[in-house]
Formats: sequence, structure tokens, C-alpha cells
Amino acid sequence: SQKIEQNSEALNIQEGKTATLTCNYTNYSPAYLQWYRQDPGRGPVFLLLIRENEKEKRKERLKVTFDTTLKQSLFHITASQPADSATYLCALNSNYQLIWGAGTKLIIKP
Amino acid sequence: GAGVSQTPSNKVTEKGKYVELRCDPISGHTALYWYRQSLGQGPEFLIYFQGTGAADDSGLPNDRFFAVRPEGSVSTLKIQRTERGDSAVYLCASSLGTGGTGELFFGEGSRLTVL
Repeated sequence: SQKIEQNSEALNIQEGKTATLTCNYTNYSPAYLQWYRQDPGRGPVFLLLIRENEKEKRKERLKVTFDTTLKQSLFHITASQPADSATYLCALNSNYQLIWGAGTKLIIKP
Repeated sequence: GAGVSQTPSNKVTEKGKYVELRCDPISGHTALYWYRQSLGQGPEFLIYFQGTGAADDSGLPNDRFFAVRPEGSVSTLKIQRTERGDSAVYLCASSLGTGGTGELFFGEGSRLTVL
């Protein structure tokens, strides 16, 4: 069956360290993958999109990698701040739909 | 408005009642999506509009759910004979791209509670 897996356990990171979140998928061949941030009671907010022919994408303190052989994307936040605390969702395209992971809750401790 | 607007933000209804949820997308965005999100889960696809037509309604769970977008902008999600299992946050998103090729802009959602 087709699945997208993100770590369901909350990730606790000390402020200033790098947070790394994982998105694994099976039985998909996405042309691209997206990462979103979601705060409690709010809709998801787009962060980054990476295409299948791109190994890495950066935006300010954010970095995303995409390994189509491993079927995995890693999302990194460097120099993490308490304001980065949120749930981070990955989504990949399947035809013209986006299929979503359940998200990983990130907690940055001061 | 600058972003995607959804109304109502909260709706409490009784089992068996009819509910309408409204989405006003970003001006000029031809693609519009409805998702449903339960606590601790990612958004679950319901329906996708390209312009006025429903390009994909395969995510609608049953025939109690229906959505329209008559003029290619505002969309309404309609739920008949609501059930307790329909309780969730209903998210609307719009996009410039067609067929899910670009970033989605989400509204804040409509939280539906069926008692």
C-alpha cells in the first residue's frame, strides 16, 4: 500500500541546535515533495518544494533533501529558535493530488 | 482579501443536520482544494476544482458530501445528514498552478463539531 511516514513522536531540540525531521514514503514516485508548517488552530503554511531531480534546496535557515532511491526527504532547521516550534508536514504529489504525512511536532526549548 | 478566507471558523451542529462551509480563495487562483483534517493527522483530500469544474472528487467520502464552485472563485462544501464522524477541521486551499504543481495557500479552516 502507499504510505507516507513522519515520526509521530514529538521532537525536542535545544535552542540553537539543528532540528532534522524525516519523511519516508513507499509505493509512490513523486515528481516533487513539499514541506509545510502548521501551528495549532491554523492552516498549513508552505515552506519549501523540492523536485525529484533536485538533491537539496535551501531557504534561509531551512534545508530540504530528497533521495528518490531511499524514498526519503529530510527537513533541517539550523540555529533553531523557540519560534520554530510547530508541526511540520510533508506532502508529495500523486498525479495532481498532494498526499500528506501526519506531521511531526517540533519543540524547541530555550 | 490577501489570503484564503473560510467561514464559519467554528460550526457546532446536531446529528442529521445540513451544513455549508464556505471558501473564498485568493483572487486569480484557478485551483481550489478541500481537505479534511482530524486531530494528529495530515490533511485528507476531498475534492479539487480547476475553475468551475470538479476535476477530481474522488476523496469525497460518500454522497452526503458535495461541493460547488459556480463562478470559479468562491466554493461551498455541503454536508447533508451530518454524522458524528464528520467532526473535523475542513481546510480549503487555493493555488495558481494546475494539478497540484505548486504551493498551496490554506485558509484557517472551519472546525465542524457534530453532536
